[in-house]
Amino acid sequence: QVTLRESGPGLVKPTQTLTLTCTFSGFSLKTSGMCVAWVRQPPGKALEWLALIDWEGDKYYSTSLKTRLTISKDTSKNQVVLTMINMDSVDTGTYYCARRDVVAMTDAFDVWGPGTNVTVSS
Amino acid sequence: SNELTQPPSVSVSPGQTARIACSGDALPKKFVDWYQVKSGQAPVLVIYEDIKRPSGIPERFSGSSSGTMATLTISGAQVADEGDYYCSSPDSDGNQWLFGGGTKLTVL
Repeated sequence: QVTLRESGPGLVKPTQTLTLTCTFSGFSLKTSGMCVAWVRQPPGKALEWLALIDWEGDKYYSTSLKTRLTISKDTSKNQVVLTMINMDSVDTGTYYCARRDVVAMTDAFDVWGPGTNVTVSS
Repeated sequence: SNELTQPPSVSVSPGQTARIACSGDALPKKFVDWYQVKSGQAPVLVIYEDIKRPSGIPERFSGSSSGTMATLTISGAQVADEGDYYCSSPDSDGNQWLFGGGTKLTVL
């Protein structure tokens, strides 16, 4: 069974750096085709794709946020970490990690974590 | 442009067919996936690669795509299908993924 779970601080102050961890099970990021992405949703707003890392360690970032984001993986711990610098109130929302297998029959974000809420406030 | 456009809302009566459109310049060359988001819950994949349905998704959910438009169809919509629906597709370069603005489906 594939599961993902996000964890993070819950509350960060403006200008601080946010670090989120996605811990997953049921698959390995060493496996060809496997990817993990981060997606967020501000309150009352649309889903927004942030970043993705693949099995080879290649990284992809949202054009609008790439200067603030870093995605990395620790395959030994089955974790993917997202850092976002210079946090602002507009970054408040729910942050999800999701799996994608680009060589599988289902090439889509097929399994999602429950999400973690992030509030940016002083 | 790197955008996916959806209508803000669609409303149908129970048992009717709901159709949610998604338009984008890159869609003739890129597959579209659809996600259902219910209040307070994580997104759920309901259609992938334009027309395919994941296991466990009811047959009343179907997808189609033609040119710059993709459509999610819910045949015989139920109250349980209420929620927000998002289309998603890679951008034209395939280096990032896009989500549409979301469509709120009301069944009443």
